[in-house]
Amino acid sequence: GESVGLHLPTLSVQEGDNSIINCAYSNSASDYFIWYKQESGKGPQFIIDIRSNMDKRQGQRVTVLLNKTVKHLSLQIAATQPGDSAVYFCAENPKGGGTYKYIFGTGTRLKVLA
Amino acid sequence: EADIYQTPRYLVIGTGKKITLECSQTMGHDKMYWYQQDPGMELHLIHYSYGVNSTEKGDLSSESTVSRIRTEHFPLTLESARPSHTSQYLCASSGFKGQGAEAFFGQGTRLTVV
Repeated sequence: GESVGLHLPTLSVQEGDNSIINCAYSNSASDYFIWYKQESGKGPQFIIDIRSNMDKRQGQRVTVLLNKTVKHLSLQIAATQPGDSAVYFCAENPKGGGTYKYIFGTGTRLKVLA
Repeated sequence: EADIYQTPRYLVIGTGKKITLECSQTMGHDKMYWYQQDPGMELHLIHYSYGVNSTEKGDLSSESTVSRIRTEHFPLTLESARPSHTSQYLCASSGFKGQGAEAFFGQGTRLTVV
C-alpha cells in the first residue's frame, strides 16, 4: 500500500557505549510522556514514563530526561547491548479536553554494532 | 506481558473481501485504540474508544470501521479490502484515569491485500 509519513532516522551505536535518543514533542499542555521500544514484527513495549512535574526519571539502564522549556524528551540507554536494537518511539498525552489520546513521535531506529 | 491479544497475526486476502481484525484485552481497560503502521514508519491513530458504545475517528483517515459493544473487545472491519489497505494494524488499551498511564499494545496484525 501507499505509505504516508516519514522514514525513521537511524542511530548506530557501538556495543557497550551509551545511547541517547531524542524526541521533540508538540503540545506544551502535555503532562505525561512515555518511551516505547518496538522490535521487528512486534507491537511497541513500554520502557519508561515521566510526568511533567519531573525532569528526570531512572529505570534499569534507562533514563528519561524532560525539558519542558524547549519541549524536548530524551532516552538514555547505558551500556547498550545487541538486544537494545529496535525502533524507539516517544509518546505524549495532551492534558485537558477530556482527551486520552497518545500522540507518537517519528521514532528512531537504534542499531547496535558489535 | 500485557494481556491484549490480536488475531490473526498475519492475513493475506484478495481485493474486495470483507475482513475483521480482532482485538481483546483482559485488563478491564476502558480506553482502546487502533493504530496503523507501515514498515519502518510512524504509528498513526485511526480509531479510538473511551468505553462501551463510544468510538471516534483518529488523526489518520481510514476506510475501516470499529465497534465497542463489550469493554474487552474492539474489532476493526474493512468492508471491501483494497491493496492500499496493506499495512500493520496495532491495537492498544489503556487504564488512563487523568494521571497518565501507558498504553499496552498487542502484537499487531500484518494485513496484505492482493
